[in-house]
Amino acid sequence: AQSVTQLGSHVSVSEGALVLLRCNYSSSVPPYLFWYVQYPNQGLQLLLKYTSAATLVKGINGFEAEFKKSETSFHLTKPSAHMSDAAEYFCAVSDERGSTLGRLYFGRGTQLTVWP
Amino acid sequence: NAGVTQTPKFRVLKTGQSMTLLCAQDMNHEYMYWYRQDPGMGLRLIHYSVGEGTTAKGEVPDGYNVSRLKKQNFLLGLESAAPSQTSVYFCASSPRDHRTFFGQGTRLTVV
Repeated sequence: AQSVTQLGSHVSVSEGALVLLRCNYSSSVPPYLFWYVQYPNQGLQLLLKYTSAATLVKGINGFEAEFKKSETSFHLTKPSAHMSDAAEYFCAVSDERGSTLGRLYFGRGTQLTVWP
Repeated sequence: NAGVTQTPKFRVLKTGQSMTLLCAQDMNHEYMYWYRQDPGMGLRLIHYSVGEGTTAKGEVPDGYNVSRLKKQNFLLGLESAAPSQTSVYFCASSPRDHRTFFGQGTRLTVV
């Protein structure tokens, strides 16, 4: 079974500082990888998706993530945090390649706090 | 274009009661899913459907049943609610390209 580990359930940064949220996956072959964001009392919104076209993936709101096969990692970064980035972030992995079904296996989430 | 719509948004049940959560999508997606979200656990897949009339079990299916009689609707049923089913439930749908769209969630409390 596929699994995702997010290191750090809470991350705090100052406004303008670098945001780094860590994610490692477990899969026999490189899967599809995703980052989702959840604002309070809302559903999940897709930030970005890795499908092997490029190892550096750019998403919405200035976020990007780099796929590193050797490290089985897909860390999310943003060069300069904004107050509006405060939310919970989830890393997820989808079914192995060859399937169009989008079952997602989520990490436990990382709560990002941004201090003024 | 409403996307994925869940009803109700909030519900309180007594132990042993039954209820059905409704999910509708207007994007003509083939696949639909039900997840539950618990604090510190992320989201876990309950059941999913690959098309009208088909359903399959996910990671945590016990205590739930589902039906997909129409392509646009996916129903999640609790036959006899238990306190352990207190959670936030999310419906989602996806086309054949791994982009998943989520509803706003249903907050269920079982007392």
